[in-house]
Amino acid sequence: DAKTTQPTSMDCAEGRAANLPCNHSTISGNEYVYWYRQIHSQGPQYIIHGLKNNETNEMASLIITEDRKSSTLILPHATLRDTAVYYCIVSPSNDYKLSFGAGTTVTVRA
Amino acid sequence: GAVVSQHPSWVICKSGTSVKIECRSLDFQATTMFWYRQFPKQSLMLMATSNEGSKATYEQGVEKDKFLINHASLTLSTLTVTSAHPEDSSFYICSARTGGLEQYFGPGTRLTVT
Repeated sequence: DAKTTQPTSMDCAEGRAANLPCNHSTISGNEYVYWYRQIHSQGPQYIIHGLKNNETNEMASLIITEDRKSSTLILPHATLRDTAVYYCIVSPSNDYKLSFGAGTTVTVRA
Repeated sequence: GAVVSQHPSWVICKSGTSVKIECRSLDFQATTMFWYRQFPKQSLMLMATSNEGSKATYEQGVEKDKFLINHASLTLSTLTVTSAHPEDSSFYICSARTGGLEQYFGPGTRLTVT
């Protein structure tokens, strides 16, 4: 039983912001939201994680709603190299296991 | 920083033989390492968690006698697929924790059993 729900796929225009939604309505108080991505035939890449505050790093921003039931990953200026499967994962802080769902296949188009 | 390597990147072996895959954290000491398997067009499935110096913890349905994991040091974990069969053909990926919450993944090893 999946803890997160993501759209199957989405297209983005190169140079524009890409907003990737994730629903995690059953998230518990001690569970973090993680985002990873996997470019074809490579190992996944860590993007960002957060608990309840919005987070930003050099790759992306993570916006978590106040009730923590959903979040949005923002890639500020999508490039062709951002084409990948993006995984939204929730996991407790004391359990470092990651359960990967189907993710969102993001295609950035020129 | 936080680079994880795997060796080999791909391997072809005959049915019934054993294959060892290495996972190394190159610039950090990994408190915990994880092994995943990914079949074509599917997502990653966690196989086991290993901590340095202790026995690996396997996920339900993963045969511990078939997938031997050794975490001999803080920078090296190995996965040995014993008596490999064609159904073991898959993309095997390791990851490592630096001590924080995030995991850093290796590039993966593609195993083909003929």
